[in-house]
Amino acid sequence: EAGVAQSPRYKIIEKRQSVAFWCNPISGHATLYWYQQILGQGPKLLIQFQNNGVVDDSQLPKDRFSAERLKGVDSTLKIQPAKLEDSAVYLCASSPIREGLNYGYTFGSGTRLTVV
Amino acid sequence: QQQVKQSPQSLIVQKGGISIINCAYENTAFDYFPWYQQFPGKGPALLIAIRPDVSEKKEGRFTISFNKSAKQFSLHIMDSQPGDSATYFCAASGWNQGGKLIFGQGTELSVKP
Repeated sequence: EAGVAQSPRYKIIEKRQSVAFWCNPISGHATLYWYQQILGQGPKLLIQFQNNGVVDDSQLPKDRFSAERLKGVDSTLKIQPAKLEDSAVYLCASSPIREGLNYGYTFGSGTRLTVV
Repeated sequence: QQQVKQSPQSLIVQKGGISIINCAYENTAFDYFPWYQQFPGKGPALLIAIRPDVSEKKEGRFTISFNKSAKQFSLHIMDSQPGDSATYFCAASGWNQGGKLIFGQGTELSVKP
């Protein structure tokens, strides 16, 4: 089974610029997550999708971050405008959540964003 | 209440030794407790997970011990190997949280040959 695909792997931008990340989850996984992992910390949830609907975006800084999941498959996460504190690894994960039970995430390798 | 506290922050173990990482939680609604292993430049990978109806789960050299009354769980790595050197994260999820995982802060394990 193919894993979770993310691109790009690395991105360096100047503050106030915009950036977008792409994720293709494992086929058949209805649930997709975007996590932010700051260096030396555990991943923090930004947004959770169930098919193409948002389940939880309470931790998403909506003034600058946006995300969508068209047709319940691929997803994009955008930051506009970027701040220095957005420097982090952005991880996408998918999961075959069934009947509310968690059967474990599969993470992609992430996109390392550096804002200068 | 949503926090998962992990310790130690870093750990150095000799090859063949036992590595022990501890986590504590507060939210009694949590009912799924996985451990993830992360190598540099890679995303976290599921290592082993436990649900609160059992007190221990073993898979190869990896064991989770779970203490529901103390709201604590731990990862034991037996016969630690240099290839186990990685960052380990505990996490927790609740039945009413749609699968969302709350992660601990991570433990950087180094196994010396």
